[in-house]
Amino acid sequence: QSVLTQPPSASGTPGQRVTMSCSGSSSNIGSKTVNWYQHLPGTAPKLLIYSNNQRPSGVPDRFSGSKSGTSASLAISGLQSEDEADYYCAAWDDSLNGRWVFGGGTKLTVL
Amino acid sequence: QLQLQESGSGLVKPSQTLSLTCAVSGGSISSGGYSWSWIRQPPGKGLEWIGYIYHSGSTYYNPSLKSRVTISLDRSKNQFSLKLSSVTAADTAVYYCAREDTAMVLFDYWGKGTLVTVSS
Repeated sequence: QSVLTQPPSASGTPGQRVTMSCSGSSSNIGSKTVNWYQHLPGTAPKLLIYSNNQRPSGVPDRFSGSKSGTSASLAISGLQSEDEADYYCAAWDDSLNGRWVFGGGTKLTVL
Repeated sequence: QLQLQESGSGLVKPSQTLSLTCAVSGGSISSGGYSWSWIRQPPGKGLEWIGYIYHSGSTYYNPSLKSRVTISLDRSKNQFSLKLSSVTAADTAVYYCAREDTAMVLFDYWGKGTLVTVSS
């Protein structure tokens, strides 16, 4: 059972906009910044969004993040086939003396 | 470009100690401002942070695993290691090493991961 809750799957057609959620609590998302990672099996996870809504250099502006209260969201606009991957949210959690916590991941399928 | 590469035994017997190493290239593990983490993903489940070690050598572990985890640095080889004792089938997972930018509070580089299976 992951500390952060993500829907297990999402889908969309090329060109569409999809969003995926990440739900936490006051000890993590509610008081800390959220990062998002894109992961293709067999490869190293890639930082997609940091500090709730910032994109690292090289990440297309089709990817955007937001946070409200104890929830965060990742949006992908202009969906492309290469966006098919697993997406994970992460945040520091102040409970239990502190630890990094992750969501269970959302598998995005491009139809 | 920083690269991280995990290596170690892919099969460990129950009750024994899992040992993995993360070789870092393209940068020094002694550089300030970073910590070096181990993260795992059991089959079909989400990611779980195991712990990290700072460039200074100080460590911090996930409270849920603390009693069984040791992370260490080898500056001469520019690598860091994980030891997880008294393993069970629940420790079967893909194990990743990653660098955390402590100022930005994010993992910016990850290895590709290595599968460790606990089985007799």
